[in-house]
Amino acid sequence: DIQMTQSPSFLSASVGDRVTLSCKASQNINKYLAWYQQKLGEAPKLLIYNAKSLQTGIPSRFSGSGSGTYFTLTISSLQPEDVATYFCLQHNSWWTFGGGTKLELK
Amino acid sequence: QVQLKESGPGLMQPSETLSLTCTVSGFSLISNGVGWVRQPLGKGLVWMGTIWAGGSTNYNSAVQSRLSISRDTSKSQVFLKMNSLQPEDTGTYYCARHPRSTGIPLFDYWGQGVMVTVSS
Repeated sequence: DIQMTQSPSFLSASVGDRVTLSCKASQNINKYLAWYQQKLGEAPKLLIYNAKSLQTGIPSRFSGSGSGTYFTLTISSLQPEDVATYFCLQHNSWWTFGGGTKLELK
Repeated sequence: QVQLKESGPGLMQPSETLSLTCTVSGFSLISNGVGWVRQPLGKGLVWMGTIWAGGSTNYNSAVQSRLSISRDTSKSQVFLKMNSLQPEDTGTYYCARHPRSTGIPLFDYWGQGVMVTVSS
C-alpha cells in the first residue's frame, strides 16, 4: 500500500504570508495527487488535481507542484478564509490520504 | 449543482450493522461512481469502497469482509452496510463522487459527512 505523509501537521501563519504544505508518497505516484481544503463542519473541497491543475473556481493564490513522490501546495498570500485543514490524496494505486495539515492564523 | 448528503443513525452498539445512505443530486449514478471514505476519531481519512457507474464495486481489503455497498439509481441513493461494528469504527463517514475519467479517478465532490459512534 502507498503511504502518504503530510507535513507539517499544524501550521500557524499571518495574513499575507506565503504558505507551503508538503505531501510525500512512499512510492512513485506520477502526477496523481490531489489537494483538498476542509473547513470545520463543511464538505472537503477539491483545490488541485493532477498535482498542479487548479480546480475551476479556486482562487489563483493556490498552486500545486511536484511529481513522483514529493508534492507541495502553496498559498501565495494567506487570507483569513484559508483557515482550514488541508489534505492530499493519491489515486495512482487505489486511494490513500495524507494525515492533514491544520492551518491557523497567527 | 452537484450535492451529496449522508444520513444514518448516529449511535450504534458493538456487533450491530451500520446502514448509511448517500443521497446525490446534480448528477446520475449511472454516469459517475461514488465512494465511501471514513475518518476514525483522531485519525486520517481512509477509503472504504466504491460503487462504479456500471454497478460494480471495489472494497478496501481492511473492511471487505464486513462491508457492502449498493445503490438505487431511481432514487439517486448509494447505501453502505457494515456489520460487526466495533468501537474503533467510530468516526465520520463521507460519500464522495468520482468524476468520469480514465484510470483511477479522484474524488471531486464530497458530502459533509455523518458522525457515527459505536458504544455500549
